[in-house]
Amino acid sequence: ELKVEQNPLFLSMQEGKNYTIYCNYSTTSDRLYWYRQDPGKSLESLFVLLSNGAVKQEGRLMASLDTKARLSTLHITAAVHDLSATYFCAVDVGGGADGLTFGKGTHLIIQP
Amino acid sequence: KAGVTQTPRYLIKTRGQQVTLSCSPISGHRSVSWYQQTPGQGLQFLFEYFSETQRNKGNFPGRFSGRQFSNSRSEMNVSTLELGDSALYLCASSFLTGGITEAFFGQGTRLTVV
Repeated sequence: ELKVEQNPLFLSMQEGKNYTIYCNYSTTSDRLYWYRQDPGKSLESLFVLLSNGAVKQEGRLMASLDTKARLSTLHITAAVHDLSATYFCAVDVGGGADGLTFGKGTHLIIQP
Repeated sequence: KAGVTQTPRYLIKTRGQQVTLSCSPISGHRSVSWYQQTPGQGLQFLFEYFSETQRNKGNFPGRFSGRQFSNSRSEMNVSTLELGDSALYLCASSFLTGGITEAFFGQGTRLTVV
């Protein structure tokens, strides 16, 4: 059974600081996704990582994938309050037919 | 381009009743997946449909069922509702691009069972 573990699950940080969220998964996959969810809202796609060594950046967020270590990271640079949300990583091993297996999410609070 | 549309957005039902939720995928997307989100269990895969065929189902009881129509719209049905079925139900549509699947989620249907 595929397991996806995120850590930390809760993170409170100050604006301007850097931090990294980690996502470990238990089986071979070269497709990993990061989503953002605001309270009461749906999931917004942030990054799709498709191969070993993939790195993608959007604004203050950067995601990377190491398929050998079965690890993805989401790095936040110089955090701002608007990035407060819950971040999920998800793994796809069946080309979509088996659905996505999600981590439990990282609840991120960025304080002024 | 319109996104994934789920209806209704909110629903309150009584234990023992049944409920049907609807999902209209992004135009051109043929794969529709359903997920249940609860505070305790997080996001869990319910089932996936592609071209009107259920390709896979998650670990949920038979009370949870679904179908997909020829226009790719999908419905899920939950019969004999239990209090534990209270959740946010999310639908995602996907289009295979170069063999890669990226899922776009609808706004969800928040079901409350009382």
